[in-house]
Amino acid sequence: DVKVTQSSRYLVKRTGEKVFLECVQDMDHENMFWYRQDPGLGLRLIYFSYDVKMKEKGDIPEGYSVSREKKERFSLILESASTNQTSMYLCASRSGTSGMWTQYFGPGTRLLVL
Amino acid sequence: DAKTTQPPSMDCAEGRAANLPCNHSTISGNEYVYWYRQIHSQGPQYIIHGLKNNETNEMASLIITEDRKSSTLILPHATLRDTAVYYCIVRVPYRDDKIIFGKGTRLHILP
Repeated sequence: DVKVTQSSRYLVKRTGEKVFLECVQDMDHENMFWYRQDPGLGLRLIYFSYDVKMKEKGDIPEGYSVSREKKERFSLILESASTNQTSMYLCASRSGTSGMWTQYFGPGTRLLVL
Repeated sequence: DAKTTQPPSMDCAEGRAANLPCNHSTISGNEYVYWYRQIHSQGPQYIIHGLKNNETNEMASLIITEDRKSSTLILPHATLRDTAVYYCIVRVPYRDDKIIFGKGTRLHILP
């Protein structure tokens, strides 16, 4: 069974705090993704990674950074949280080689920045 | 990416088959049809995908018309836990990195 886990389901942080969102997958997938989902705006891609140590900017990378030190783990970092980063954050992973190319999502982290 | 059109909401009685339609009239030859669903406050869940043949797995069946301009997702015996927003998307899986959902269909399962 495919498994993508995220470190927290709910987080409350204050403006200016550094925030770490962790994502772990146990499917040996090469590709991993971070999205945010907001009402009326749908899913928006923040960053993705094709493999360890690699990262690519998505559509809305400003205010975020990522880290991929191990294949199974992809971290999203909010360097200085702001209220407009209040959102649902979703991690996904995908095999880059098996031919399935299906993205599997984690349960999401609902972040509130006060 | 080709766009899809889905009804905004549907009702289905518990225990009956839920048939969710999707129109994708501008689909191109290398685009697959994917279905995901999202239960309230949870991450999207992959259901099934197909290119031209009908597909079935433990969750659902996908029926794609011969001209590939529309498809139907079938949940054979709907339960209350199937209440969710269902998204139909078309994409080239080995090319398209990001997932873009439309508005989807909000499926209500009635007890």
